[in-house]
Amino acid sequence: DGGITQSPKYLFRKEGQNVTLSCEQNLNHDAMYWYRQDPGQGLRLIYYSQIVNDFQKGDIAEGYSVSREKKESFPLTVTSAQKNPTAFYLCASSIERQTRTGELFFGEGSRLTVL
Amino acid sequence: SQQGEEDPQALSIQEGENATMNCSYKTSINNLQWYRQNSGRGLVHLILIRSNEREKHSGRLRVTLDTSKKSSSLLITASRAADTASYFCATAGGSNYKLTFGKGTLLTVNP
Repeated sequence: DGGITQSPKYLFRKEGQNVTLSCEQNLNHDAMYWYRQDPGQGLRLIYYSQIVNDFQKGDIAEGYSVSREKKESFPLTVTSAQKNPTAFYLCASSIERQTRTGELFFGEGSRLTVL
Repeated sequence: SQQGEEDPQALSIQEGENATMNCSYKTSINNLQWYRQNSGRGLVHLILIRSNEREKHSGRLRVTLDTSKKSSSLLITASRAADTASYFCATAGGSNYKLTFGKGTLLTVNP
């Protein structure tokens, strides 16, 4: 079945460690996104990529990094510079580069907890 | 910055009743979308309404859009316990290429 796969579902990190969250899609979508969700909050955009080898900062990019070497993959690294990384991370994709018209398809999320 | 803002923050109803959630936004939009999120899961797209549309239906869902008031409403008719979830509105507008989400309405449907 086509969809978006995020892994791991749960991740624990010690302070000072970098961690990488995986996001893979087989929908043949051009655009991919990373959002962060905190309890009782909406989604905030971290990074987005409209095409391979290109990505843009979202509203809260500090302390995060991404790469887009393949159309199917958009991994997110949470670095030690991110001051409050404990959150629920959601990856999404859209068929069109311009989300002005497109709906987003989401993965099931990765919950990161810093110990 | 978050543009969409849902109201109420939480809503509790009995099975069979209708549920109405509202979304207000601040700047002009190209379209407005509603998403559903079950606890601890990813978001699922429900419906998209374009700025030149006033009402849209999908099954038990009815969405209205009033661009003059910069507001939208989502009506779920004949609610079921399985409709229990958080509902988010998201707006797409201007020349940017991203959706902006509100904080959501937590709907609880009691059996």
